Amino acid sequence: ETGVTQSPTHLIKTRGQQVTLRCSSQSGHNTVSWYQQALGQGPQFIFQYYREEENGRGNFPPRFSGLQFPNYSSELNVNALELDDSALYLCASSLGRDRGYGYTFGSGTRLTVV
Amino acid sequence: AQKITQTQPGMFVQEKEAVTLDCTYDTSDQSYGLFWYKQPSSGEMIFLIYQGSYDEQNATEGRYSLNFQKARKSANLVISASQLGDSAMYFCAMRRMDSSYKLIFGSGTRLLVRP
Repeated sequence: ETGVTQSPTHLIKTRGQQVTLRCSSQSGHNTVSWYQQALGQGPQFIFQYYREEENGRGNFPPRFSGLQFPNYSSELNVNALELDDSALYLCASSLGRDRGYGYTFGSGTRLTVV
Repeated sequence: AQKITQTQPGMFVQEKEAVTLDCTYDTSDQSYGLFWYKQPSSGEMIFLIYQGSYDEQNATEGRYSLNFQKARKSANLVISASQLGDSAMYFCAMRRMDSSYKLIFGSGTRLLVRP
């Protein structure tokens, strides 16, 4: 059973650019959530996808968008990057959107915006 | 609004001793779940233990136990027989048990185990 894989592991972008982060879910999991973790803070919920549809969103602007594919892998897209977008982006997968537990996290993508 | 508070930014513990990491939460919900995660320097969030709000027994998972005091809205993590590999960030999190799917995390506690 494979875990959650995220790519790339590290990324440096310039302010105003666009970035795409990728996540492969754990085998058998159909739900993916994305979190942003700024340095020294706990993760903040961005959004969740269940069966290719967004079904929950945190307090993030529309320039944060995502996709989930038929194989349940997912992308997080951020447009018009700002310096404050520098953070560790974590992907978590689970089986079913209402599970109380059973989230599996990836190791994250560390994004630096300069 | 839901909130998780972890008041210990950093903790030290001697190897083989027990340590308690504090977590208090704020919610008006009757049904919720409480989690503890470990985050080593690699970045991955590793699930440690879960407690449902209606669970009467405190959760235990190996060396980890959760001291759940519902009236005080606290969910402290107890790690027994600390090991050097326990050095990491520890996060307490909460989830509503309804159509809200997000985990709400605290700011974390950095634990350092001394040999």
